[in-house]
Amino acid sequence: IAGITQAPTSQILAAGRRMTLRCTQDMRHNAMYWYRQDLGLGLRLIHYSNTAGTTGKGEVPDGYSVSRANTDDFPLTLASAVPSQTSVYFCASSVDFGTDTQYFGPGTRLTVL
Amino acid sequence: GQSLEQPSEVTAVEGAIVQINCTYQTSGFYGLSWYQQHDGGAPTFLSYNALDGLEETGRFSSFLSRSDSYGYLLLQELQMKDSASYFCAGEPYNAGNMLTFGGGTRLMVKP
Repeated sequence: IAGITQAPTSQILAAGRRMTLRCTQDMRHNAMYWYRQDLGLGLRLIHYSNTAGTTGKGEVPDGYSVSRANTDDFPLTLASAVPSQTSVYFCASSVDFGTDTQYFGPGTRLTVL
Repeated sequence: GQSLEQPSEVTAVEGAIVQINCTYQTSGFYGLSWYQQHDGGAPTFLSYNALDGLEETGRFSSFLSRSDSYGYLLLQELQMKDSASYFCAGEPYNAGNMLTFGGGTRLMVKP
């Protein structure tokens, strides 16, 4: 059982380019999340999904979009990357949305130049 | 807005006890979680306090007092492998059950 996988592990991207970060879980969890982590700021929620077919905005959603076509996959798209989106991105999942323990993927380190 | 505040860094020696505090500025929330993150790694769940009081899991304990808007993580018999960042996280009542993370405390354990 892999848990949560993310791809790519790291990426350098030119400003203005489109980029999709992939996230897949095999635990059949209903809820999934995308966070960004910047030094000194902890983890900030970008978008979340309560269950397949539904998504919601977190604390810092601007410039990002998500989709949840099925239970396992929750891709994060940057339509037109900007340098302020340089960060480490973590995908997470939990059995249900809310108070359940969240399980995190290994992260994607993204640099936008 | 909602915020959870933690010290940025704590240093302790191997075998000692260390307490990492978390104070919050909000009207209230459902509970307080703690996550551990080693350098270059992903956050991993440590504990969750749904109610006020102390929860113990091996060498780690976590405490919550809603009346004092305060919680802490207590690490006993420190080991070198405990060197990591520790994050508290809460679910504010008015934030739709979304986790809000503190800025994290970097713990350095020295021999």
